[in-house]
Parts: sequence; structure tokens; C-alpha cells
Amino acid sequence: DAGVIQSPRHEVTEMGQEVTLRCKPISGHNSLFWYRQTMMRGLELLIYFNNNVPIDDSGMPEDRFSAKMPNASFSTLKIQPSEPRDSAVYFCASSLAQLGGELFFGEGSRLTVL
Amino acid sequence: SQQGEEDPQALSIQEGENATMNCSYKTSINNLQWYRQNSGRGLVHLILIRSNEREKHSGRLRVTLDTSKKSSSLLITASRAADTASYFCATVGGTEYGNKLVFGAGTILRVKS
Repeated sequence: DAGVIQSPRHEVTEMGQEVTLRCKPISGHNSLFWYRQTMMRGLELLIYFNNNVPIDDSGMPEDRFSAKMPNASFSTLKIQPSEPRDSAVYFCASSLAQLGGELFFGEGSRLTVL
Repeated sequence: SQQGEEDPQALSIQEGENATMNCSYKTSINNLQWYRQNSGRGLVHLILIRSNEREKHSGRLRVTLDTSKKSSSLLITASRAADTASYFCATVGGTEYGNKLVFGAGTILRVKS
């Protein structure tokens, strides 16, 4: 299995631009999670989906952030407009279990907003 | 907060020595997991211990869980330079916490060869 695939691995953009991060979960996994990692705040759960349906988006910092999962093999996290404080590494993870099970992480997308 | 807290924040040892990392948490949990993160990479699951288990082994890893003290420890025996990484504990709380996996701040382990 190829594992969780994220793109892009690195993104540098200017404040105000739209950023779209992409994730392909492991085939057969029915739960998908978006995390954000920063030095100051550590790993934060932004949103998770079960069977393509958003279950809990309470971790999404503000309306500038949105996430979709149009099918079982693809999810996007969009930031519009981006701000310098959004600079972080964004991880996608998938799991067989809805909650509480082992997570399989992608390699992350490192976002820098200038 | 449900969040686990690792101790120490950083640990530096010689190759061949044992490394022990501790995790404390504040709420009741369903299970506790340990993950490893190499620099610039994603997290990798190491081991899961359920709330009714006290000890679990996986290769050179030994995890203990003391629910009365709300703490867990991860022991890596006979460490290798390749064990250099950040180690995170993650707790799964009950329904009142949304059954979500919440990560601690991590312990940075450096194994010198």
C-alpha cells in the first residue's frame, strides 16, 4: 500500500492568497483527519470525516478554513485568504476506526505564508 | 484539557542505553497510543495500550499504563542512533471528549553513536 499521500509537500505563498492542500487516504480506510502542527501549539486536530461526512470541525480555527471530502479517496483543506499565522505543517491521517484507533499519517504539507 | 504531557521535553543518551519517556494526562481514557516522528516526516504509530491493560511490549518497546496515576511510560531498550526522533503520546478520551485522539507536546530523543 502506498500509504497516505499528501500534496504539495511544500508551499510558499503570499498573504491573501488561496491555499489548497490535498490528501489521498489509504484505500479502505473510512475515517480521515486533518491535523496542524506548530512549535507553539503542537498537533491540533482541525477536522475529521467518517465515510466522507464531516463529523467534527470544532478545531477549524476560523471561517477562512474549509475542508471537503467529495469521495472516499480524496480530501482537500483550503485556506482563503491565507495569513502568516497559518504557517505550519498540515498532516492528513486516515484510520479504519472512526475514533480511537491507530492513525496512519501522511508526510505532511509544510505551508509558509509570507 | 485531556491533552497528555510528556516528560522530559528532551533526552540525550548514548547508543545502547535505555530511554524512558513519561506521559501524564488529566481525564479518563479509552486507550493511549505512542507515536514517533522523525525530523521532517509524518507520525508513525508505535503501540496502543487499552485502559484495562497495564503493560505491553513490541520488540524493543515496552509501554506501561497506570490509570490510577493517569500516567504512561515508554521504554526503548538498547537504543540505536536510528531511534533519534520525537515521541508523542496520544490519549483517546471518552464520549464527553468526542472520543478524539489528542496529542501531547512530545519528547525529543537524541541517541548519540
